[in-house]
Amino acid sequence: GIQVEQSPPDLILQEGANSTLRCNFSDSVNNLQWFHQNPWGQLINLFYIPSGTKQNGRLSATTVATERYSLLYISSSQTTDSGVYFCAVDSGGGADGLTFGKGTHLIIQP
Amino acid sequence: EAEVAQSPRYKITEKSQAVAFWCDPISGHATLYWYRQILGQGPELLVQFQDESVVDDSQLPKDRFSAERLKGVDSTLKIQPAELGDSAMYLCASSLVAGSQYFGPGTRLTVL
Repeated sequence: GIQVEQSPPDLILQEGANSTLRCNFSDSVNNLQWFHQNPWGQLINLFYIPSGTKQNGRLSATTVATERYSLLYISSSQTTDSGVYFCAVDSGGGADGLTFGKGTHLIIQP
Repeated sequence: EAEVAQSPRYKITEKSQAVAFWCDPISGHATLYWYRQILGQGPELLVQFQDESVVDDSQLPKDRFSAERLKGVDSTLKIQPAELGDSAMYLCASSLVAGSQYFGPGTRLTVL
């Protein structure tokens, strides 16, 4: 099946810093989503981005499907940005359950 | 804003007991998924429904797990008997036929 690798696994930053999270995938994808998992375990949708670039406030994402990677940018980090960020993909077809990476654990210190 | 509902939020049980989790997807979403997330890892798909039909249950441990979506709306995931290794977060998600998946708050299961 498709493989998803996220980097870095852990990231500690000061409030106000910018960060870039990377997701590499091993095959062409039909769907790519970025999620933020809060301390209570809820997965919050950030972006649905199988290709192209999107922005939402301080967050933006870019997927280069031909090169099989996606980037999540967080600018002017806040302590509430802390948590685990997951990239998840599906390769299409009738069965389109998501395959998740292992996540990037982000800690924003005040 | 429409959300995926799950209950219970927390469940503690003893090994060999039966447990059941319930999920109500976003209204109009034909596709429903159950995922399991072990602490420190990403979620893994257990089963996918399209309306009331199972599309993919290749990763569902069928000797002890079962899932149903009888009327194509809400769904139940059952474990019988529960084992210590089943302790995890069980997440339900839904989507339109294609597109973004939306997740519920999850059920955190502890097996003693």
